[in-house]
Amino acid sequence: EVQLVDSGGGLVQPGGSLRLSCAASGFIFTNYWMTWVRQAPGKGLQWVANIKQDGSEKYYVDSVKGRFTISRDNDKNSLYLQMNSLTAEDTAMYYCARVKWTSNGPYFDVWGQGTLVTVSS
Amino acid sequence: DIQMTQSPSSLSASVGDRVTITCRASQSISDHLNWYQQKQGKAPKPLIYDASTLQSGVPSRFSGGGSGTDFTLTISSLQPEDFATYHCQQSYTAPYSFGQGTKVESK
Repeated sequence: EVQLVDSGGGLVQPGGSLRLSCAASGFIFTNYWMTWVRQAPGKGLQWVANIKQDGSEKYYVDSVKGRFTISRDNDKNSLYLQMNSLTAEDTAMYYCARVKWTSNGPYFDVWGQGTLVTVSS
Repeated sequence: DIQMTQSPSSLSASVGDRVTITCRASQSISDHLNWYQQKQGKAPKPLIYDASTLQSGVPSRFSGGGSGTDFTLTISSLQPEDFATYHCQQSYTAPYSFGQGTKVESK
């Protein structure tokens, strides 16, 4: 079964750091770009970052550039999101997703269950 | 950045109704448009990509259309399991923005 399992969320103080993880199984991890998408409480979805199969290309939404780092460990079939200098605006459910590239760009065809990050003092 | 606007933000419908949701892009995105379904407390699920191609396993009552700046998601005959929030997403250029979502509720 193709599956993504998100973990690592929790309560963190403003200015703090957190590292999210996503464990992949049931597919050849090294064949796919991966992505993080977040959803603030009661809000819509927001794409956060993408990473290429070998980690050589990474892209971020402007609001997290310089604070968040996406990475992957292909030996462990795992995706990560290192989040630093967190603010209340980063409070959200974070989902990892598998990227399927169509002729028209990226499409997120498999999603993790999400992990909740709450930034509060 | 490309802004995506969905309408309506919510709608009430009955089982068997035909439902249409609209998504508008702030600039032309050709047919680089995807749709996702999200049920309360769950992760989104892919529905349609490239504006009109159904994800494997998605019932044929779902259809997508449009190109350029205006797109639609149509459910031809609403079923009980279709009550959910629907999100559009542009895949034309990063950042890959989503609409704010349309919640389909039971009338």
